Amino acid sequence: TQLLEQSPQFLSIQEGENLTVYCNSSSVFSSLQWYRQEPGEGPVLLVTVVTGGEVKKLKRLTFQFGDARKDSSLHITAAQPGDTGLYLCAVGRGSNTGKLIFGQGTTLQVKP
Amino acid sequence: EPEVTQTPSHQVTQMGQEVILRCVPISNHLYFYWYRQILGQKVEFLVSFYNNEISEKSEIFDDQFSVERPDGSNFTLKIRSTKLEDSAMYFCASRDALVIGYTFGSGTRLTVV
Repeated sequence: TQLLEQSPQFLSIQEGENLTVYCNSSSVFSSLQWYRQEPGEGPVLLVTVVTGGEVKKLKRLTFQFGDARKDSSLHITAAQPGDTGLYLCAVGRGSNTGKLIFGQGTTLQVKP
Repeated sequence: EPEVTQTPSHQVTQMGQEVILRCVPISNHLYFYWYRQILGQKVEFLVSFYNNEISEKSEIFDDQFSVERPDGSNFTLKIRSTKLEDSAMYFCASRDALVIGYTFGSGTRLTVV
């Protein structure tokens, strides 16, 4: 059983459409991070959410942390081809080390 | 924007050979990590390093693997005798004490033939 389940696994949309991807778990987390990864590159941190119910905006990206701190969503408004990539959620595990456990990711393709 | 730098970007090695993957973390960061990503699979934790010692390692990080911070700036991952299944992207990451989020390097693609 995966600690973090991301859905959908793959999403292909047209430029200008809106989309939401999800990161779900049965565990409670003190914080959750979203990363974006392009082919051949390392993950790049987009946002960290900490408080249950928290909403953070990063231009056209809106991140929400569930009230119970078990799940999170990423909404993209008016997607652009530059948004194409692998979107990963991750949580910290290990009190001293802060190692990250990643979800399997959502691959987003935005067609012009 | 400070970066984590990894070299080489691509390494091809024969099975059974030793490889050393190199990383220069961000200079004021205190926690250092290696992760790997087999093609088409999740990013997986290998090892964390703090205060000049390993603080945690995964079951993947067996006796064939070792890490070192030899000179206060470089952070290396050594695989003693590579196997075909070690082929993957290896990412170095670092963070400081206060920030939860990591900075990842661009990775080294290791191909074992």
